[in-house]
Amino acid sequence: QLVLTQSPSASASLGASVKLTCTLSSGHSNYAIAWHQQQPEKGPRYLMKLNSDGSHRKGDGIPDRFSGSSSGAERYLTISSLQSEDEADYYCQTWGTGIHVFGTGTKVTVL
Amino acid sequence: EVQLVESGGGLVQPGRSLRLSCAASGFTFDDYAMHWVRQAPGKGLEWVSGISWNSGSTGYADSVKGRFTISRDNAKNSLYLQMNTLRAEDTALYYCAKGLNYDFFDAFAIWGQGTMVTVSS
Repeated sequence: QLVLTQSPSASASLGASVKLTCTLSSGHSNYAIAWHQQQPEKGPRYLMKLNSDGSHRKGDGIPDRFSGSSSGAERYLTISSLQSEDEADYYCQTWGTGIHVFGTGTKVTVL
Repeated sequence: EVQLVESGGGLVQPGRSLRLSCAASGFTFDDYAMHWVRQAPGKGLEWVSGISWNSGSTGYADSVKGRFTISRDNAKNSLYLQMNTLRAEDTALYYCAKGLNYDFFDAFAIWGQGTMVTVSS
């Protein structure tokens, strides 16, 4: 079964970095994912598509301080130089076997 | 500017039907797969349904299979979701999303602002 696992929360200070993890279920470690950001009371925004080899394709206008990387079944989103507007929910998404799946989301708090 | 504008949401009684629409602009609509994603109040994102660029492939979440039907009209740059036999658990904000390309199996690259569906007696 295709499942994405995310930690419910993460926090870091203004100007620091935070690294979010999205873990693919067993047997799906070579799957690509996408990261999406949802700021409070707004619709989601596509950040990037992240492949198993760590290569990624960002959405238009996404700042350089958002980066992605991969290791085995884990997909990471690193936000550097945290800004107040980065306080949001972050969802990973993947697809396969006729369906699309979202992780449960990680709420990022900027201290 | 690429834009997706959903409409058609509202308050509906359990067991009734509703049809959502999504008007697309700013891109070549028939080059891309399209999807519906919903978010119940205070909850996470749930993929509902998707359709390939030429309507050749469609997919549904198990929770809506047999009750919801996705369609598109490329001449009108529009995406639709026909929702029948609605249940209280279908209450959510429904988003329209554009695929990264024509392929049904790929990331969602653009999102609309959503239309709220409330199922209640």
